[in-house]
Amino acid sequence: GDSVTQMEGPVTLSEEAFLTINCTYTATGYPSLFWYVQYPGEGLQLLLKATKADDKGSNKGFEATYRKETTSFHLEKGSVQVSDSAVYFCALSPNRDDKIIFGKGTRLHILP
Amino acid sequence: SAVISQKPSRDTCQRGTSLTIQCQVDSQVTMMFWYRQQPGQSLTLIATANQGSEATYESGFVIDKFPISRPNLTFSTLTVSNMSPEDSSIYLCSVVPGSTQYFGPGTRLLVL
Repeated sequence: GDSVTQMEGPVTLSEEAFLTINCTYTATGYPSLFWYVQYPGEGLQLLLKATKADDKGSNKGFEATYRKETTSFHLEKGSVQVSDSAVYFCALSPNRDDKIIFGKGTRLHILP
Repeated sequence: SAVISQKPSRDTCQRGTSLTIQCQVDSQVTMMFWYRQQPGQSLTLIATANQGSEATYESGFVIDKFPISRPNLTFSTLTVSNMSPEDSSIYLCSVVPGSTQYFGPGTRLLVL
């Protein structure tokens, strides 16, 4: 079945460091891909998305490119801030308006 | 977009009792989804609720344990029945008005 695999955390970086969180997926067809973020004590928020191959999603300095040839959707940010400390979930939706399948989440901790 | 509210926001319950969680959306949507997030874990889909039909449950979840109602296009309830400490989780509803899935703030349940 469809699944999402993302790098395990926790990931600890210093402020202004470059961030990559790896995510790969297994799916039939052409899923939509997402990154969600959960800040401490808060609900789940959509960070960015991409709905077809080679699309790049971006938001708040974060980017991820839908790579069908490598079935990947890695999250990157050039310079992280302490406020980026959160849990990040990679996810896919097999079809439009369909359920979301989540990866296990990666906890990111940014040191000042 | 969609604005989703859930009630209650949190509750502490005794083993063997049941709790009904309400989810209200500010627009009409065809499908509503119920997820569970166990402590420190990712989100797992419990069931998909369509208005006017029986909910569709994912593997490992059954209607007797998690009965769902969907009386109209803006409202749904999830009941957690005969609770045990293992049911302590955050329960979230979500909707897809378009190509993006939105999540409610969650109901944090603690079972003693």
